[in-house]
Amino acid sequence: KNEVEQSPQNLTAQEGEFITINCSYSVGISALHWLQQHPGGGIVSLFMLSSGKKKHGRLIATINIQEKHSSLHITASHPRDSAVYICAVTNTGNQFYFGTGTSLTVIP
Amino acid sequence: NAGVTQTPKFQVLKTGQSMTLQCAQDMNHNSMYWYRQDPGMGLRLIYYSASEGTTDKGEVPNGYNVSRLNKREFSLRLESAAPSQTSVYFCASVTHYEQYFGPGTRLTVT
Repeated sequence: KNEVEQSPQNLTAQEGEFITINCSYSVGISALHWLQQHPGGGIVSLFMLSSGKKKHGRLIATINIQEKHSSLHITASHPRDSAVYICAVTNTGNQFYFGTGTSLTVIP
Repeated sequence: NAGVTQTPKFQVLKTGQSMTLQCAQDMNHNSMYWYRQDPGMGLRLIYYSASEGTTDKGEVPNGYNVSRLNKREFSLRLESAAPSQTSVYFCASVTHYEQYFGPGTRLTVT
């Protein structure tokens, strides 16, 4: 049983498309994180949120605490957005749980 | 300000050999974590240190030991490497629910 589930596992999009990655979790949380991992590269934190919505450039993250669900949206996708996107949550005991990631490929 | 650094970046070991993975952060954070990442699985916590001088087991601690040498450094030791420990290892420095990851160490045990 995974505390954090992501969908889809793999996603291929054409450049310019609007992309949505979903995350559901089953534990009580104090924060939810979206991380980005480029092939062979390190892991970068994109967003941390505990309610509502955050926007950074073409990336938007939303969370619905009642439904225990979050979405990461990418507008006007670009090949450089190709990466693995990981959803993680911090529970009320400050433990981190990670999803298995969504592998995104954006084709020019 | 280098953030979180890890050494080495790559390592190949034979079964039974030992090695230490090094991690250092310059952000003055109290908490540091060691994870492993395997294909098809999420990051899994090996050990963590909530503050200098303290360490605790995570989800997959067997076969590993850690040392929190000082506030900056948190090392991970494999005493007798096994092929099941082939993985990518990430160190993270943690504050206020934010995590800052090192670049990772790719370890292969043959």
